[in-house]
Amino acid sequence: AQSVTQLDSQVPVFEEAPVELRCNYSSSVSVYLFWYVQYPNQGLQLLLKYLSGSTLVKGINGFEAEFNKSQTSFHLRKPSVHISDTAEYFCAVSVPGADKLIFGTGTRLQVFP
Amino acid sequence: DADVTQTPRNRITKTGKRIMLECSQTKGHDRMYWYRQDPGLGLRLIYYSFDVKDINKGEISDGYSVSRQAQAKFSLSLESAIPNQTALYFCATSDFRGGEVQYFGAGTRLSVL
Repeated sequence: AQSVTQLDSQVPVFEEAPVELRCNYSSSVSVYLFWYVQYPNQGLQLLLKYLSGSTLVKGINGFEAEFNKSQTSFHLRKPSVHISDTAEYFCAVSVPGADKLIFGTGTRLQVFP
Repeated sequence: DADVTQTPRNRITKTGKRIMLECSQTKGHDRMYWYRQDPGLGLRLIYYSFDVKDINKGEISDGYSVSRQAQAKFSLSLESAIPNQTALYFCATSDFRGGEVQYFGAGTRLSVL
């Protein structure tokens, strides 16, 4: 079975500072990896995904993530955050072909002026 | 207009009542999902359907049932609502050709008193 661990439930950061949201996964088979963002009172939308190929994945709004197979991690980074990045971020994993996502418990990013 | 529409957006009901949450999509996707979101628990899969004749239980299906009325419509029912079903419910869709990316509705906030 697969599982996802998001190590930080909340991450407070000042505007224009860099941020890293951590995600580790567990799986005995190859997986696809995703980051979704949930803005207040909205559904989830895809930030970025790793299916194969380059381990550095760039997404929307200046976010990027790096797949590290040896560390079983898929951490999300942004070099300079904005107030508008305040949201909840979910890491998710799926087994290719299964078409089912398994989500982490989420990290609430709070950006302060 | 939203590609994945959930109705109602908010609902308050009483213990023991039957309630139906509806989801419709205009994306033409064959796969649809129902999740519930609870604080600190992330999203958990209730039911999923890969086509009109295919319905599958997720990890927390007890107390819920679903109906796939058409490719575009997938309803979630609580036959006899209980307070611990108070949560935020999301519908999502995906296309088997889409690299397993899921697209989410805006959610239904359900309170069971």
